[in-house]
Amino acid sequence: EVQLVESGGGLVQPGGSLRLSCAASGFTFSSFEMNWVRQAPGKGLEWVSQISARSTTIYYSDSVRGRFTISRDNVENSMSLQMNRLRAEDTGVYYCVRGPMFTIFNSWGQGALVTVS
Amino acid sequence: QSVLTQPPSMSAAPGQKVTISCSGSRSNIGDNYVSWWQQLPGTAPKLLIYENNRRPSGIPDRFSASKSGTSATLGITGLQTGDEADYFCGAWDSSLGAWLFGGGTRLTVL
Repeated sequence: EVQLVESGGGLVQPGGSLRLSCAASGFTFSSFEMNWVRQAPGKGLEWVSQISARSTTIYYSDSVRGRFTISRDNVENSMSLQMNRLRAEDTGVYYCVRGPMFTIFNSWGQGALVTVS
Repeated sequence: QSVLTQPPSMSAAPGQKVTISCSGSRSNIGDNYVSWWQQLPGTAPKLLIYENNRRPSGIPDRFSASKSGTSATLGITGLQTGDEADYFCGAWDSSLGAWLFGGGTRLTVL
């Protein structure tokens, strides 16, 4: 069974930093691109970043480019999101998502809450 | 970055049919696959439709989807109270190099 478990969320002051992690199990992690998707309280889904299976290709949304860094460790079967210079509008639940998003392989973790206040 | 356009809310009676639209542009829906997700209150999104119109196993055939040009549609027949949820469409945008989501449609089954 595919499992994606996020950790590292919490309360941080504006301008501060936080590092989210995603532990993956139940599938060959090194074969899949991975994403972070967030959801502000009461709002819709917003894609944040994507990293290819071997970290060769990385994309960021305009709203986080230059502040957030995505990375992965295919030995530890984990993915991370380093978030710097956090803003109030970064508040929300951050989901670890297996890609490709348009395929049957798409799968979501339960999310980690980040509060910037 | 722009989002795909969905109606914010829809409602219908149990047993009825509803169609939820998702409008984009050539660089996203026009050139790439569309997916749909269902998000029940307090839970993570769940894949409902992938590759425009394909259902994962376990998704009832009451759920269907199609794509035409730069728009996509999710259809739900035989509505049940358990279908009350937020529904999101999504597609990769080749010009932006970004994944786009629709704003979401809150479905109420009256």
